[in-house]
Amino acid sequence: AQSVTQLGSHVSVSEGALVLLRCNYSSSVPPYLFWYVQYPNQGLQLLLKYTSAATLVKGINGFEAEFKKSETSFHLTKPSAHMSDAAEYFCAVSDPGNTPLVFGKGTRLSVIA
Amino acid sequence: GAVVSQHPSRVICKSGTSVKIECRSLDFQATTMFWYRQFPKQSLMLMATSNEGSKATYEQGVEKDKFLINHASLTLSTLTVTSAHPEDSSFYICSAQTSGVYNEQFFGPGTRLTVL
Repeated sequence: AQSVTQLGSHVSVSEGALVLLRCNYSSSVPPYLFWYVQYPNQGLQLLLKYTSAATLVKGINGFEAEFKKSETSFHLTKPSAHMSDAAEYFCAVSDPGNTPLVFGKGTRLSVIA
Repeated sequence: GAVVSQHPSRVICKSGTSVKIECRSLDFQATTMFWYRQFPKQSLMLMATSNEGSKATYEQGVEKDKFLINHASLTLSTLTVTSAHPEDSSFYICSAQTSGVYNEQFFGPGTRLTVL
């Protein structure tokens, strides 16, 4: 069975500082991995996805994530936080094929001016 | 990118009534749609997988008779919460999956259900 663990339910960074949101996965097959962002009372927006191509994935809004098979990790980073990055971030995993996503519990990112 | 809409965005109803939520893929055909439930400050919990023209597959613990799902066309799935009670109050989010290779799901904006 697949699972996702997001370390830290809440991360707080200063504006302009590095953002690092951690995600570790468990999967019996090579997974597809996703990061989504959710703003209050809204649906989810895809930030980036890993689908067995390049291990370093670049997404929208300056975010990127690196797939590390040896560490079973897919951490999300952004070099410089912006106030507008404050939101809830979800890591998700799925098997290749028509399978639903399994979400982590989410990490709330706060950006301090 | 692909757009998924949900209607209504917010609904308040009395206990015992039924509420229907629509999920539409606006610019693509979705053979598979998913329904999720999200409690405050928590993650998304998959309720059911809906395939066009067939019965929905419900996750363990989700009552089929309580949460009726219909996927009548490639662009529309509906979730009906029957005889709603206050504990059904939640944020319901649907997603539609493209038929391509990468499992990409596009999420609707969600529906906030409040049962009084």
